[in-house]
Amino acid sequence: EVQLVQSGAEVKKPGESLKISCKGSGYIFNSYWIGWVRQMPGKGLEWMGIIYPGDSDTTYSPSFQGQVTISADKSISTAYLQWSSLKASDTAMYYCARQDWNALAAFDIWGQGTMVTVSS
Amino acid sequence: DIQMTQSPSSLSASVGDRITITCRASQSMSGYLNWYQQKPGKAPRLLIYSASSLQSGVPSRFSGSGSGTDFTLTISSLQPEDFATYFCQQSYSTPRTFGGGTKVEIK
Repeated sequence: EVQLVQSGAEVKKPGESLKISCKGSGYIFNSYWIGWVRQMPGKGLEWMGIIYPGDSDTTYSPSFQGQVTISADKSISTAYLQWSSLKASDTAMYYCARQDWNALAAFDIWGQGTMVTVSS
Repeated sequence: DIQMTQSPSSLSASVGDRITITCRASQSMSGYLNWYQQKPGKAPRLLIYSASSLQSGVPSRFSGSGSGTDFTLTISSLQPEDFATYFCQQSYSTPRTFGGGTKVEIK
């Protein structure tokens, strides 16, 4: 079964760092781009950026450039999203998703989401 | 960035109704338009890609159409499990922006 499994919910304080993960299985992880999507409480979906695990080529949305870092470790089929200094406004659900060029770059497989809560 | 505008933002309908949701792009993007369904507390699910191609496993009551800047998602006969929020997304260029969403509620 093709799936993406994300790390568990996090509760952090402002200023702390965080790295969440997304592990792929059931397909050739290195051959598909992985994207990250933010959903703030009660709001819509925001495309943050994508990474190609095969060579770590990464593209960020201008809205998130410099705010987060997307990385991947192809040896363990895992992509990451990290913050160096969290803000309360980073409180949101974060999804990883597989981009499929056979579906014209749609996100065909999604992780279950990681809830990040930032509060003092 | 390509801006995606969905309408309506919400609608109320009954089981068996035919509904249509519209997505308009700020610039032409051929057929690089996708539709997702999201239920409360769940990850989004791909329904339609390339404007009109049905993702595997998605019921045939869902259909998509359009090209250029104007696209529609139609549900031919609304079922109880279809009450959810629907998002369009362009995959023509990065950032691959989403529409604001349409919440479909029970009348």
